Amino acid sequence: EAQVTQNPRYLITVTGKKLTVTCSQNMNHEYMSWYRQDPGLGLRQIYYSMNVEVTDKGDVPEGYKVSRKEKRNFPLILESPSPNQTSLYFCASRKRENYGYTFGSGTRLTVV
Amino acid sequence: GENVEQHPSTLSVQEGDSAVIKCTYSDSASNYFPWYKQELGKRPQLIIDIRSNVGEKKDQRIAVTLNKTAKHFSLHITETQPEDSAVYFCAAPPYSGAGSYQLTFGKGTKLSVIP
Repeated sequence: EAQVTQNPRYLITVTGKKLTVTCSQNMNHEYMSWYRQDPGLGLRQIYYSMNVEVTDKGDVPEGYKVSRKEKRNFPLILESPSPNQTSLYFCASRKRENYGYTFGSGTRLTVV
Repeated sequence: GENVEQHPSTLSVQEGDSAVIKCTYSDSASNYFPWYKQELGKRPQLIIDIRSNVGEKKDQRIAVTLNKTAKHFSLHITETQPEDSAVYFCAAPPYSGAGSYQLTFGKGTKLSVIP
């Protein structure tokens, strides 16, 4: 089944403890992206990647890192999480020539 | 970058009535306009999209219209049903000219269909 898989689905962590949210897609998509969703603010792009080893900042990149060492994987790294990073995170991917994104199931992160 | 405004933020309609959600965008070079539906607790899913070379696209009870001159596009849902209740997001890409496209989303419209 074609899909974008995120893990974990839920995570509660403490301020300052490094964490990684994994994202993997099995559709051979070139583009991958991370969004955060907050009430009243919609979906805001954190980082995106156009292909292996090619990444760029979205609208809200502060406090996040990403890497794209393989085409299928695009992990989101929070080196020192803070409470304002408590949010619902979505990974998404698409083919270069098709703009329609396929989203993962989401990761609900709480930083205390 | 692209600025996408979406209205209204909430919309309640009676079952069977029509619903219209409107979005405006700022980048005149934008050429692709998708709509996503997000049911409670689920991921956003693409329901319909339109490219800038057409003015309207229909898929059963949903349609999207595009006015490039005015830089706005709208989602139309006819004969609404309770399962249409969800949050709807529009989006538009800023055209960087370098082949790298992002998607900027509107803040969403919570549609409630009252039985």
